[in-house]
Amino acid sequence: AQSVTQPDIHITVSEGASLELRCNYSYGATPYLFWYVQSPGQGLQLLLKYFSGDTLVQGIKGFEAEFKRSQSSFNLRKPSVHWSDAAEYFCAVGARTGTASKLTFGTGTRLQVTL
Amino acid sequence: DAGITQSPRHKVTETGTPVTLRCHQTENHRYMYWYRQDPGHGLRLIHYSYGVKDTDKGEVSDGYSVSRSKTEDFLLTLESATSSQTSVYFCAISEYNTGELFFGEGSRLTVL
Repeated sequence: AQSVTQPDIHITVSEGASLELRCNYSYGATPYLFWYVQSPGQGLQLLLKYFSGDTLVQGIKGFEAEFKRSQSSFNLRKPSVHWSDAAEYFCAVGARTGTASKLTFGTGTRLQVTL
Repeated sequence: DAGITQSPRHKVTETGTPVTLRCHQTENHRYMYWYRQDPGHGLRLIHYSYGVKDTDKGEVSDGYSVSRSKTEDFLLTLESATSSQTSVYFCAISEYNTGELFFGEGSRLTVL
């Protein structure tokens, strides 16, 4: 069965500093990988996705993530964080079945941005 | 923003009562999902649908049933609510079988 681990429950960074959120997954085949962001009281929004090909993927809001098969990781990065990036971030791995894609989510990392 | 409406957005009910949550979409997407979100667990899949009248179970389906009689509506029913079903419930839709989901704003359910 697939699983996702986000080892950091809470991270605080200063505005303008760089950010890296960690994600490790377990999946038997080549995974579909995603990062979603959730602002307080809102649903989740897709930041970026990896299906195949280039292992460095670009997303919205200046985020990028790198797929490293050897480390079973899909870490999310941003070179300069803005106060509006404060939110909860979820990594997810997808299993494509014969009927639908089923995502398994990590437990999330809450990002706090200090001014 | 994807046209997804969840109702009700907030509900308080008592143990043993039936509850139905509704997800309505205006995108004509084929796939619809119900997730629950709990602290320390992230989001967990309850049920999903891959077409009208086509549904299947997710990882935490016990105590829940679903129905989809129209493309636009996906109903989640708790036949007899329990306190362990207190949670925030999210509906999500997807046009393709790729895992790119669009989420509703959630329904907060409290079972006393």
